[in-house]
Amino acid sequence: GQQLNQSPQSMFIQEGEDVSMNCTSSSIFNTWLWYKQDPGEGPVLLIALYKAGELTSNGRLTAQFGITRKDSFLNISASIPSDVGIYFCAGQLRGGAQKLVFGQGTRLTINP
Amino acid sequence: DGGITQSPKYLFRKEGQNVTLSCEQNLNHDAMYWYRQDPGQGLRLIYYSQIVNDFQKGDIAEGYSVSREKKESFPLTVTSAQKNPTAFYLCASSIVQGAGGYGYTFGSGTRLTVV
Repeated sequence: GQQLNQSPQSMFIQEGEDVSMNCTSSSIFNTWLWYKQDPGEGPVLLIALYKAGELTSNGRLTAQFGITRKDSFLNISASIPSDVGIYFCAGQLRGGAQKLVFGQGTRLTINP
Repeated sequence: DGGITQSPKYLFRKEGQNVTLSCEQNLNHDAMYWYRQDPGQGLRLIYYSQIVNDFQKGDIAEGYSVSREKKESFPLTVTSAQKNPTAFYLCASSIVQGAGGYGYTFGSGTRLTVV
């Protein structure tokens, strides 16, 4: 199936550091979504983006819909221990009601 | 509160046995999905359903079966034909397929272990 290229696959950072991750594709997307999955739980929606160039924040999280509509990034500022988990990007391809396509995830580990 | 409920949280199965994972939602969502997640891996789509009494295979449907007799329910059966069934299974729902990008709501998952 269709795949999104999400990077990095994993990150090991110190508490308080900023985090940046991104997703890219060769296809054009109508919508970009970012999810967080805590260990042993299902993913939870963090941010949804609907327009090219859109920049949206949710607390310490900021995400942008790339101007080419083929990429998106997520930034986390001043990381805290509860930010630990797996972050997934997801996109809805252009053209009708499409299933979401998911990235492979970025596993974030924070050293206190 | 509306949500999507998966049960049980942990499930153990002997080799050669079929097992059914439950997924129920009270969000009035039309579309429902089953994903499989292996350690360190992303989400792989098993089956999805857009309306009652209709469902389609995803990327890894072999060894699995589903039914959609009610809008609220989308059970997944892991059959003995699934060669490597140990994994974390996630159920999700959306208003309609894709839903204009409103996203999916996920359950809390079922961890299946074959013993």
